[in-house]
Amino acid sequence: AQSVTQLDSQVPVFEEAPVELRCNYSSSVSVYLFWYVQYPNQGLQLLLKYLSGSTLVKGINGFEAEFNKSQTSFHLRKPSVHISDTAEYFCAVIPAYGGATNKLIFGTGTLLAVQP
Amino acid sequence: KAGVTQTPRYLIKTRGQQVTLSCSPISGHRSVSWYQQTPGQGLQFLFEYFSETQRNKGNFPGRFSGRQFSNSRSEMNVSTLELGDSALYLCASSFAGTGGINEKLFFGSGTQLSVL
Repeated sequence: AQSVTQLDSQVPVFEEAPVELRCNYSSSVSVYLFWYVQYPNQGLQLLLKYLSGSTLVKGINGFEAEFNKSQTSFHLRKPSVHISDTAEYFCAVIPAYGGATNKLIFGTGTLLAVQP
Repeated sequence: KAGVTQTPRYLIKTRGQQVTLSCSPISGHRSVSWYQQTPGQGLQFLFEYFSETQRNKGNFPGRFSGRQFSNSRSEMNVSTLELGDSALYLCASSFAGTGGINEKLFFGSGTQLSVL
């Protein structure tokens, strides 16, 4: 079975400051990793995903994430945040060889609150 | 291209009642999956359908059920509602149902269910 831990339920940060949202996972098999963002009253949108290859993945809106297999982490970073980045961010995994399925395992989410 | 449409947007029910939520996927998508989102629990997988067949099921009681029609539209039903069923119910669709690995997973804005 897989599990995802997002230790920070809320991260306050000032505008134009850098931010890191932490994600750790547990799995006995290889997994693919995702970061999704949810703006108020909206569904989830994919920010980026790691399937294989380079461990540094670049996504939309200036976000990037680094896969660290030894630490089973997939932390999300942005060098300079904007007010519009205020949203809830979810880390998710899916088994790499689990067959065709949309069953993603999500973390509990991190609310990024950008202050002026 | 229209996105994933969920109806109704808001729903208020009382304990013991039953409720039916609807999800219309993006045209051409054959896979629909459902998630329950609650504060502190994050998103939890309910079930998924592919071409009218339930392909996977999460750890929810039998009060939660679903189905998919020949036009790929899906409904989920919750019988004998409990206070703890209050949540945002999200639906996601994709063409092949591979969890966004080789394709994009599209989420609806959800149905906010309040059980009084």
